[in-house]
Amino acid sequence: EIVLTQSPTTIAASPGEKVTITCRASSSVSYMYWYQQKPGASPKPWIYDTSKLASGVPNRFSGSGSGTSYSLTINTMETEDAATYYCQQWSSTPPTFGSGTKLEIK
Amino acid sequence: QVQLQQSGAELVKPGSSVKISCKASGYTFTSYDMHWIKQQPGNGLEWIGWIYPGNGNTKYNQKFNGKATLTADKSSSTAYMQLSSLTSEDSAVYFCARRRITKGFDYWGQGVMVTVSS
Repeated sequence: EIVLTQSPTTIAASPGEKVTITCRASSSVSYMYWYQQKPGASPKPWIYDTSKLASGVPNRFSGSGSGTSYSLTINTMETEDAATYYCQQWSSTPPTFGSGTKLEIK
Repeated sequence: QVQLQQSGAELVKPGSSVKISCKASGYTFTSYDMHWIKQQPGNGLEWIGWIYPGNGNTKYNQKFNGKATLTADKSSSTAYMQLSSLTSEDSAVYFCARRRITKGFDYWGQGVMVTVSS
């Protein structure tokens, strides 16, 4: 199965700061999906098809990448963005998730 | 609007089984795969398998073969997952999630916490 490695595991950012989360795949994948999860809640779809924002996601978020390297970027951090972000692939079965990046407010 | 309403938390004994449900509304239940995903405390997300309610076809993560059994009742638009021979390793939150091929898992249930303890 394809292993997704996210970095960093935890990051703290100040409001207004630019944040980038990386997801590296053990084999090439065609697309990457990202989910946002806050404590006690279910994951929410955040980015699909590598770079498309899910409904309601602010346009300060963006996604990019190809092959084995993908990233999620927040142009200007806001307090509401504090959450754990997971990447996910389904280029091969089983679909797999990264272990998550916890984003905190500094 | 699309909703996936899951059953309540379960406290079960080691060696027993549990069946949890996911009632779908707001869309045609038989037209989309329903997936199940495990999340252990402090851990990431692990895909268990899917069922296509339209014809009952299923596919499982090899890791969960023999552990999870997925079924669906078209008449009530409800998907079920039975977990058997429970151990402490099965203590987790279990989510159902609808998948759209181009959009990933686009709707999630609220999750069911299963606690395996004597």
